Amino acid sequence: AQKVTQAQTEISVVEKEDVTLDCVYETRDTTYYLFWYKQPPSGELVFLIRRNSFDEQNEISGRYSWNFQKSTSSFNFTITASQVVDSAVYFCALSEAQTDSWGKLQFGAGTQVVVTP
Amino acid sequence: GAVVSQHPSRVICKSGTSVKIECRSLDFQATTMFWYRQFPKQSLMLMATSNEGSKATYEQGVEKDKFLINHASLTLSTLTVTSAHPEDSSFYICSARDLRAGGPNTEAFFGQGTRLTVV
Repeated sequence: AQKVTQAQTEISVVEKEDVTLDCVYETRDTTYYLFWYKQPPSGELVFLIRRNSFDEQNEISGRYSWNFQKSTSSFNFTITASQVVDSAVYFCALSEAQTDSWGKLQFGAGTQVVVTP
Repeated sequence: GAVVSQHPSRVICKSGTSVKIECRSLDFQATTMFWYRQFPKQSLMLMATSNEGSKATYEQGVEKDKFLINHASLTLSTLTVTSAHPEDSSFYICSARDLRAGGPNTEAFFGQGTRLTVV
């Protein structure tokens, strides 16, 4: 069975601080996909990144960076120099790679990020 | 990029009535769509998988007679909450799988979500 754990319920930072969101996953599949989504107060899910299980390269996109470590089953997300607009709930999610299961996401509990000026 | 449109974005209904939520893929064909439910301050939980031209597959604990899913075309899936009660108040969000690129390395796009309040 798949499981995604986001142990941090809420993180509060002051603007310009860095914030790292932890994500630990469990799966018996050898091929899978990991995602991060941002959910602002309006509710829509904003796609941030997708990473497949064979690609362990870290990725940086602007102020966002991701650290995928297969050995520890973790896919952590860091926001550098946080801004008030980063305040949202962030979800980590996992999907199997089999065609029938593709797109079916197992979400973590989410981490509320609060950035204050 | 692909767009999934969900309608309505917000609905308030009386207890005992039914509500229909639409999920449309605007620029691609989606043989499979997924319906999720999110209670306040909780995560998104998969309710069911909607398959075009066949019956939906429901997750354990989801009442198929209460949450009717119809996927009659390659661009539209509907979720009908029948005889809604206050405990059905939640955020419902759909996603559609775009397989145009072929294989599993394709995107799952989400609609904007529907906030249902049953009074």
